[in-house]
Amino acid sequence: AQSVTQLGSHVSVSEGALVLLRCNYSSSVPPYLFWYVQYPNQGLQLLLKYTSAATLVKGINGFEAEFKKSETSFHLTKPSAHMSDAAEYFCAVSGDSGYSTLTFGKGTMLLVSP
Amino acid sequence: SQTIHQWPATLVQPVGSPLSLECTVEGTSNPNLYWYRQAAGRGLQLLFYSVGIGQISSEVPQNLSASRPQDRQFILSSKKLLLSDSGFYLCAWSIGLAGENEQFFGPGTRLTVL
Repeated sequence: AQSVTQLGSHVSVSEGALVLLRCNYSSSVPPYLFWYVQYPNQGLQLLLKYTSAATLVKGINGFEAEFKKSETSFHLTKPSAHMSDAAEYFCAVSGDSGYSTLTFGKGTMLLVSP
Repeated sequence: SQTIHQWPATLVQPVGSPLSLECTVEGTSNPNLYWYRQAAGRGLQLLFYSVGIGQISSEVPQNLSASRPQDRQFILSSKKLLLSDSGFYLCAWSIGLAGENEQFFGPGTRLTVL
């Protein structure tokens, strides 16, 4: 069984500040981890994914995430927030079970103020 | 390039009425297909997935059903809608069986049951 916990349903930052969105996972097999972004009334767009090639993963729009096995974490960061980053972010995990079904966290809404 | 379509974009239906949501994928063959429901504050819930024509796996027992009449077509149905069926329905596709393959999401259908 696998699960994802995203700490904080809402995170507020000022434009230009560091963005940190937290994700902890639980998986009985080596995990694959994903971050998706969703803008209002749209589908989800992949930001980045971890597939064991490198623990620090760089994604689109200046986001990156670091896989820490000892902490079972995959936190998403961006050095400087932009107004256009305001959206909902989902962390997801899948295992090497043969079918790529994803288990999603409940999401974190990122609010960016000027 | 691959694209995924969902329709309708929005739908308002009375309780007890039938439902049919359609999803089609272009530009790929033999995709894995998924239906998710997103309710406010509850993240994404996987409803059904399919690895081939006529092959449907249900993740959550409920009054919804899914069918895959063609390789790149996935339909979500209900004979009688409940108030609790309201939500944002997302279709997704992926290639390959390994969990490292990301899913690509459609634009979604907003369903309101009154």
